[in-house]
Amino acid sequence: SQQGEEDPQALSIQEGENATMNCSYKTSINNLQWYRQNSGRGLVHLILIRSNEREKHSGRLRVTLDTSKKSSSLLITASRAADTASYFCATDTIIQGAQKLVFGQGTRLTINP
Amino acid sequence: DAGITQSPRHKVTETGTPVTLRCHQTENHRYMYWYRQDPGHGLRLIHYSYGVKDTDKGEVSDGYSVSRSKTEDFLLTLESATSSQTSVYFCAISESGEQFFGPGTRLTVL
Repeated sequence: SQQGEEDPQALSIQEGENATMNCSYKTSINNLQWYRQNSGRGLVHLILIRSNEREKHSGRLRVTLDTSKKSSSLLITASRAADTASYFCATDTIIQGAQKLVFGQGTRLTINP
Repeated sequence: DAGITQSPRHKVTETGTPVTLRCHQTENHRYMYWYRQDPGHGLRLIHYSYGVKDTDKGEVSDGYSVSRSKTEDFLLTLESATSSQTSVYFCAISESGEQFFGPGTRLTVL
């Protein structure tokens, strides 16, 4: 079963606008991560936020985490055409030292020039 | 790309045939993972390995087996492929809290 559920499933905006994607999850987490996937490629790690953190920034990315609501959001500011991709949240738990990720279904983001 | 390669990159096979996918990494990572990606499901963990000969099941392990006889190779086997196993398969390693993914194998079972 999927831990994370993302909203919206698809988002289309104009270049330069901000894009916000949301992720909800069901159980307690260790960390929450966001990944990007360009069409036909593997996933690329964007940012990790720990369960005791509320907000984290990396360049044009801002991630928030609300553990009381079991939700996270990813904000991409000043979007560019190159940001067109699918974005996935993933919760992780550590078992036998291995990091088991459970992914959401993803948000397909399209940036229109 | 953390030195991860997958082979083959594309494969078409028939129902009932065995299929083995290979994941190869060059940087001596201990933890390796196999996922499948299907429309509407995101990525789902099939099996993972926490060392040579040490593996465990993930979320969707039925119909799959894995082996890891040496650090650099993690093999995923479909003993008798079914059409429901048509998917894109990704291998990954974990390092410092992140996972790094291979380029994927597109498998079609007719």
